[in-house]
Amino acid sequence: EVQLVESGGGLVQPGGSLRLSCAASGFTFSSYWMSWVRQAPGKGLEWVANIKQDGSEKYYVDSVKGRFTISRDNAKNSLYLQMNSLRAEDTAVYYCASGLEMVYASYWGQGTLVTVSS
Amino acid sequence: SYVLTQPPSVSVAPGQTARITCGGNNIGSKSVHWYQQKPGQAPVLVVYDDSDRPSGIPERFSGSNSGNTATLTISRVEAGDEADYYCQVWDSSSDLHWVFGGGTKLTVL
Repeated sequence: EVQLVESGGGLVQPGGSLRLSCAASGFTFSSYWMSWVRQAPGKGLEWVANIKQDGSEKYYVDSVKGRFTISRDNAKNSLYLQMNSLRAEDTAVYYCASGLEMVYASYWGQGTLVTVSS
Repeated sequence: SYVLTQPPSVSVAPGQTARITCGGNNIGSKSVHWYQQKPGQAPVLVVYDDSDRPSGIPERFSGSNSGNTATLTISRVEAGDEADYYCQVWDSSSDLHWVFGGGTKLTVL
């Protein structure tokens, strides 16, 4: 059974940092593109970042470029999102997602809530 | 950047057919993917590449894509189909890799 389990969310002050993790199991992690997608409270889905199977390609939505970094450790079947200089508008549930191709997500985690507030 | 437009809400009686549209400029030239999200839950892929279904998704869910409109069709709607539905494309022409529609709330009357 495919499982994606996010962790690391919480309350952080504006300007602060947070590192999200996603533990994957039930599939060959190193064969999949991995992504982060977020959803602000009561809002729709917003793509945040993608990373290729070997980590050689990374893509970000403009609003997080220079502040967020996506990475992966295939030996640990884990995906990460380092978030710096956090803003109130980054408040959202962050989902980890995976797909064999880069064009859509076959599997999703349950999400972790990030709240940026003073 | 590429924009996908969905109706905010669609209502249908049980047993009837629901059609949820997703509009975009020449969207027929792109592959469209659909996700179902129930309250408090993660999204679930229900249709990919316009009209393919992942394993475990009922045949009642189908998709089509032509011109400027893609459509998710749910036949014989059940109460359990009540959810938000999002269309999504990969925008290869820009750095905005994944574009999502605003979502459609399906209400089963």
